[in-house]
Amino acid sequence: GEDVEQSLFLSVREGDSSVINCTYTDSSSTYLYWYKQEPGAGLQLLTYIFSNMDMKQDQRLTVLLNKKDKHLSLRIADTQTGDSAIYFCAGVDSNYQLIWGAGTKLIIKP
Amino acid sequence: KAGVTQTPRYLIKTRGQQVTLSCSPISGHRSVSWYQQTPGQGLQFLFEYFSETQRNKGNFPGRFSGRQFSNSRSEMNVSTLELGDSALYLCASSFDWPTGELFFGEGSRLTVL
Repeated sequence: GEDVEQSLFLSVREGDSSVINCTYTDSSSTYLYWYKQEPGAGLQLLTYIFSNMDMKQDQRLTVLLNKKDKHLSLRIADTQTGDSAIYFCAGVDSNYQLIWGAGTKLIIKP
Repeated sequence: KAGVTQTPRYLIKTRGQQVTLSCSPISGHRSVSWYQQTPGQGLQFLFEYFSETQRNKGNFPGRFSGRQFSNSRSEMNVSTLELGDSALYLCASSFDWPTGELFFGEGSRLTVL
């Protein structure tokens, strides 16, 4: 079945770009998602990419998809303190279930 | 447009009791799915309903059940609660799952004592 992996922590300076990486195993995943979770809150959909796309840009967010390497990344430009959160990537498996990574905690240094 | 609404937001139960959680999806969304989030296991899929039918179910014991009503509102029930059921239960709705956007509520945080 689908397995999604991501590193647990990322620390960046305010104003720099953050790049959060994710790898997945199920090449049949049609959609790949990025969600943001702030402390005590639910999951906020940031963006998603269809598997036939290589890149998607939405304001400060850029998603890159490398299907050959099964690698997904989320770039946040000009990282702000409000971007502090846990970021989850998720893929849809062949049973139409969302399989989640463990989440990457983004830490912003002043 | 109102988002996904979950009630109650917080609740405390004791072992052996049962609990019912409610979810009102975004207006017009017919798919509702439920997820359990714990520090140890992360996010895990419970089940998904579409037009009152369960379309998909995750690997959880039969103590976990759900249903969806004709207005797309959904409930999930956990019977004979165990300490390990303490978690954040998240509901998500979609117009056309598994395609496109999936929107989550704030969750119901269950503590089992």
